[in-house]
Amino acid sequence: DQQVKQNSPSLSVQEGRISILNCDYTNSMFDYFLWYKKYPAEGPTFLISISSIKDKNEDGRFTVFLNKSAKHLSLHIVPSQPGDSAVYFCAASGGTYKYIFGTGTRLKVLA
Amino acid sequence: DAGITQSPRHKVTETGTPVTLRCHQTENHRYMYWYRQDPGHGLRLIHYSYGVKDTDKGEVSDGYSVSRSKTEDFLLTLESATSSQTSVYFCAISGTGLAGGDTQYFGPGTRLTVL
Repeated sequence: DQQVKQNSPSLSVQEGRISILNCDYTNSMFDYFLWYKKYPAEGPTFLISISSIKDKNEDGRFTVFLNKSAKHLSLHIVPSQPGDSAVYFCAASGGTYKYIFGTGTRLKVLA
Repeated sequence: DAGITQSPRHKVTETGTPVTLRCHQTENHRYMYWYRQDPGHGLRLIHYSYGVKDTDKGEVSDGYSVSRSKTEDFLLTLESATSSQTSVYFCAISGTGLAGGDTQYFGPGTRLTVL
């Protein structure tokens, strides 16, 4: 039972345009969400997070939106840059110190 | 970057042999985790630790054991490696381990191939 789903395995975007990566979850107990970025042969690196008490969190070019009623979060990258090409994972946690990860979306930003 | 190292970084072994992977942190974080990453599955939790000598199972713990005798070290052991355990293994740490504000930091990974 996949509690955190990233239904798009891959996404291609032109440089300078917006990248939107989506994540859905099923467990209503989740109250903290994170996005990680992963380059080949490296460990995931933390990008941005959001608590369920907020519906938006922004950090430079990265914004995460949370829609609790739809159990959906999205990561917006504006403007997209070639260096953003990587695999992006969303993760969720709910009152425990365990995190459930999605399967990842491979983003390719075309120059 | 969080001070997390994993050793070895690459290992090739044969079916049936024992394998131990090591995670070492210099951050004095309480919580440590072992994940495996496989195509189509993302990151799946194998075992985690919430303190010295305190460990518990994750979602894919069969065939794996762990030990934590010091705050800084978390060992993952495959008692008898199988080809299905060929994967990339990541260690992660977090400070409070509490939802609502904590972040996990990951090590560089260990690529394990079981022939």
